[in-house]
Amino acid sequence: AQRVTQPEKLLSVFKGAPVELKCNYSYSGSPELFWYVQYSRQRLQLLLRHISRESIKGFTADLNKGETSFHLKKPFAQEEDSAMYYCALGEGGTSYGKLTFGQGTILTVHP
Amino acid sequence: ETGVTQSPTHLIKTRGQQVTLRCSSQSGHNTVSWYQQALGQGPQFIFQYYREEENGRGNFPPRFSGLQFPNYSSELNVNALELDDSALYLCASSAGVWEQYFGPGTRLTVT
Repeated sequence: AQRVTQPEKLLSVFKGAPVELKCNYSYSGSPELFWYVQYSRQRLQLLLRHISRESIKGFTADLNKGETSFHLKKPFAQEEDSAMYYCALGEGGTSYGKLTFGQGTILTVHP
Repeated sequence: ETGVTQSPTHLIKTRGQQVTLRCSSQSGHNTVSWYQQALGQGPQFIFQYYREEENGRGNFPPRFSGLQFPNYSSELNVNALELDDSALYLCASSAGVWEQYFGPGTRLTVT
């Protein structure tokens, strides 16, 4: 069955330090992978989609099919990056359109 | 451009009752997805509607049902409410399948 695992519930770093939020997935097909972010008192919003290969707000994520991972990285964390981050897997077939979310990682960037 | 809106914001119901939650999709979006988010968990996919037809469904019982209207707004109906149905219900709209824009959610409490 499809599954998304974010092993860290909480992650704390200092401003200017590199940050990596881990995401591993289990899926038999060709995955669509996303990172969503939820800032305090705001709604869930799309941060990155793997096929776009863009850098958004300094964040990048590379799909590693061999390791079934899609880790989110930023070289220099900022205080405004503090938020809840969710990794999500998009499915095809009879569940087309379904996003399976991980449990989320709360990132705190200290000044 | 108006974003996704949901009503009501909060709702308290008694076990066994029925509830209807509403979602207005973002302008230009013809696809609506519904998610349930329990406390401390990532969102779980309930179903997706595309042009008034159910397009995909997650692992939820038939007492969870939905509708999409010609203007692409949508309703989520839950019958025979159970205590475990207490959660945040999120609606997301999209022009295609994947880039889903989320509403602020409806907090449902079942007592």
